[in-house]
Amino acid sequence: ETGVTQSPTHLIKTRGQQVTLRCSSQSGHNTVSWYQQALGQGPQFIFQYYREEENGRGNFPPRFSGLQFPNYSSELNVNALELDDSALYLCASSLTGTASAFGSGTRLTVV
Amino acid sequence: AQSVTQLDSQVPVFEEAPVELRCNYSSSVSVYLFWYVQYPNQGLQLLLKYLSGSTLVKGINGFEAEFNKSQTSFHLRKPSVHISDTAEYFCAVTLSGYALNFGKGTSLLVTP
Repeated sequence: ETGVTQSPTHLIKTRGQQVTLRCSSQSGHNTVSWYQQALGQGPQFIFQYYREEENGRGNFPPRFSGLQFPNYSSELNVNALELDDSALYLCASSLTGTASAFGSGTRLTVV
Repeated sequence: AQSVTQLDSQVPVFEEAPVELRCNYSSSVSVYLFWYVQYPNQGLQLLLKYLSGSTLVKGINGFEAEFNKSQTSFHLRKPSVHISDTAEYFCAVTLSGYALNFGKGTSLLVTP
């Protein structure tokens, strides 16, 4: 059974650029959630996808968007990057709604 | 909206001593509660969860937690810690069943 895998592990972008982060769900899981974890803070819910549709969203602006593909893998896209977007981005998958398996995250630094 | 307060940002403890990490939540309706552990440079691992039923929940690695509705608490305990338990611990709550609200975390430092 493969766990949740995320790529890349680290990324440096310039303010104003766009970024795409990728996530492969754990085998058998059909739901993907994305979280943002700023340094020294707990993760914050961005959104969740189920069967390729967004079915829940946290308090994040529209420049944060996502996709889920038929194989249940997912992408997180962030446009017009700001310095405050620097964080660890965590992907989690589950068979039911609540995240049960987390990836190791993508560390995004915006300069 | 539901929220979580982790009362201690850091908890130092000696190896083989017991430990309790405190978590209080606020919600006017029934919630689901979770504890996760995060080792350095890694993602989160689910330790245990309370959905319903018995208020004493047993998890992995010898951890357990007790749901106390009257005190709105969900404290995490382990009777004897190991060096390898050194990590960040997060309490989380959800009302919806999918969007987790996390606390700010408690750093557990176990020393010999």
